[in-house]
Amino acid sequence: GQNIDQPTEMTATEGAIVQINCTYQTSGFNGLFWYQQHAGEAPTFLSYNVLDGLEEKGRFSSFLSRSKGYSYLLLKELQMKDSASYLCATMDSNYQLIWGAGTKLIIKP
Amino acid sequence: GAVVSQHPSWVICKSGTSVKIECRSLDFQATTMFWYRQFPKQSLMLMATSNEGSKATYEQGVEKDKFLINHASLTLSTLTVTSAHPEDSSFYICSARDPLVDYEQYFGPGTRLTVT
Repeated sequence: GQNIDQPTEMTATEGAIVQINCTYQTSGFNGLFWYQQHAGEAPTFLSYNVLDGLEEKGRFSSFLSRSKGYSYLLLKELQMKDSASYLCATMDSNYQLIWGAGTKLIIKP
Repeated sequence: GAVVSQHPSWVICKSGTSVKIECRSLDFQATTMFWYRQFPKQSLMLMATSNEGSKATYEQGVEKDKFLINHASLTLSTLTVTSAHPEDSSFYICSARDPLVDYEQYFGPGTRLTVT
């Protein structure tokens, strides 16, 4: 079967660092995505990993370990505007995205 | 980056009527488009995969006669919610895949449907 797990909610402080974990079990793997979604808006692309390792893009970094079925999204220097839901998704062999339930990130001043 | 538009951005309709939502890829040709539905505080749920020139592939549990999908051109897919009921009220989002960039799906801004 296919399953993606990520925490339901996390809280962090402005200026701090937070790591959002995602574990997955999927049949066919064409990479893992992280999307950001603000309430009432469509998801926006953050990162894509298909090989093991860390991809850094500004304040955001994403890590993948295919052997462990594990990824994380690391957000540095948190800003209030980073308060959103963060969705982990894997792409199967048909190029369809399999979505996790999302992690709601709350940033406190 | 690639842009996908949706129209309308929000719509209110009466129970029993039909509503059409358009999804357009503005600067690329999308051979495949995806339709999602999202209820409050829940993740995206794939409804169907729409391929240009062929019938859509519906996910299990999605009624194909209720949610009509037409992908008549490489830049336009439409979702028609027929005989809408209040439980169909949701946020409908489309995405399109650029065949020149295998991995990324570009999302439209979504359509908020409220059925009264």
